[in-house]
Amino acid sequence: EAGVTQFPSHSVIEKGQTVTLRCDPISGHDNLYWYRRVMGKEIKFLLHFVKESKQDESGMPNNRFLAERTGGTYSTLKVQPAELEDSGVYFCASSQDLAGRRGYTFGSGTRLTVV
Amino acid sequence: KNQVEQSPQSLIILEGKNCTLQCNYTVSPFSNLRWYKQDTGRGPVSLTIMTFSENTKSNGRYTATLDADTKQSSLHITASQLSDSASYICVVSADSNYQLIWGAGTKLIIKP
Repeated sequence: EAGVTQFPSHSVIEKGQTVTLRCDPISGHDNLYWYRRVMGKEIKFLLHFVKESKQDESGMPNNRFLAERTGGTYSTLKVQPAELEDSGVYFCASSQDLAGRRGYTFGSGTRLTVV
Repeated sequence: KNQVEQSPQSLIILEGKNCTLQCNYTVSPFSNLRWYKQDTGRGPVSLTIMTFSENTKSNGRYTATLDADTKQSSLHITASQLSDSASYICVVSADSNYQLIWGAGTKLIIKP
């Protein structure tokens, strides 16, 4: 079974530019999550999709971040325009059930550096 | 405020030795507590998950304990190996919205 795949693995962009991160969850996992780890801090929740719907987006920092999951398969997270404080590692995870009782599978993350 | 605190921040031990990592949480209402291992450049990988009624869970050389009364958990690693070098993160799920509340992790280094 393929795991959760994230692309790109690294991205370096200038302040003010746009970046789009992609996550391909495990096939059949309705639940998809985005998390972010800023340097030196703990991982923080961004948002949760159930299929194509946003179940919880309370962790999204501001309106420069836009997440989509058209068709309920892969998801994208766009940052526009990027700011220096957006630098960090963005993780995607998927799970079969809403509460994650059968576990979450994480991707390797996208390391975003805004310069 | 829902929080998860871990100690120590970092730990260096010799190969073959045992170690114990600590986690205190103030998440309510509590659903479950997980320990993850995260290798550098990789995503977190689940080691154990415990609900309110469980107070110990083992996964090979890893044994997690949970005291729901004092809101404390520990992860004990037995006979450490070089491959155990990683960050170990305690994560608590709130029953209200299933969000995961993450600790900052303990960076463990195993030296030969």
